[in-house]
Amino acid sequence: DQQVKQNSPSLSVQEGRISILNCDYTNSMFDYFLWYKKYPAEGPTFLISISSIKDKNEDGRFTVFLNKSAKHLSLHIVPSQPGDSAVYFCAAEENAGNMLTFGGGTRLMVKP
Amino acid sequence: GAGVSQTPSNKVTEKGKYVELRCDPISGHTALYWYRQSLGQGPEFLIYFQGTGAADDSGLPNDRFFAVRPEGSVSTLKIQRTERGDSAVYLCASSLTGDPDTQYFGPGTRLTVL
Repeated sequence: DQQVKQNSPSLSVQEGRISILNCDYTNSMFDYFLWYKKYPAEGPTFLISISSIKDKNEDGRFTVFLNKSAKHLSLHIVPSQPGDSAVYFCAAEENAGNMLTFGGGTRLMVKP
Repeated sequence: GAGVSQTPSNKVTEKGKYVELRCDPISGHTALYWYRQSLGQGPEFLIYFQGTGAADDSGLPNDRFFAVRPEGSVSTLKIQRTERGDSAVYLCASSLTGDPDTQYFGPGTRLTVL
């Protein structure tokens, strides 16, 4: 059973527009959520995170929103840039857990 | 400074063979994690080391998989009697604090079992 799901395998956006990547989870023990960005032949790199006590966290062009009642989070990138083209993974962590549980990823393509 | 490195970057082997994958974590990082990423999926946790000991190996799929970290730095993931289903990218990550949300990932080793 997939505890973290990213239902959109790919997303194409025009440069300058907003990119919205979605993630759903089922495990109510998750209390910390992260987004990672991955370029080909490289490991995932941390992008932004949010604790379950918050509903929004912003860092420059990147904002993560958390809706605990819906067990849903989203990553907003605005304005989108061609360099943002990558695979984005949502990940979650249980309180005092030892590992991250990842979603399947969404490939974002930002067209110039 | 140097990040997490993994060798080899690519490994092709035949079904039934034994393979070793190496991870060099960031210097001073006490926590080390192995993940496996199959095609089209996200990374899946395999094992977590704190120092020399495996603190959590609940993600290892079966007893053909084993990992060691004898001196608390370099780690080796060992796969016996490889199967075609073992083909994946094996990712290593390290962390200074041991918190999963402070992990730095290596580029991975792409394992192909023919």
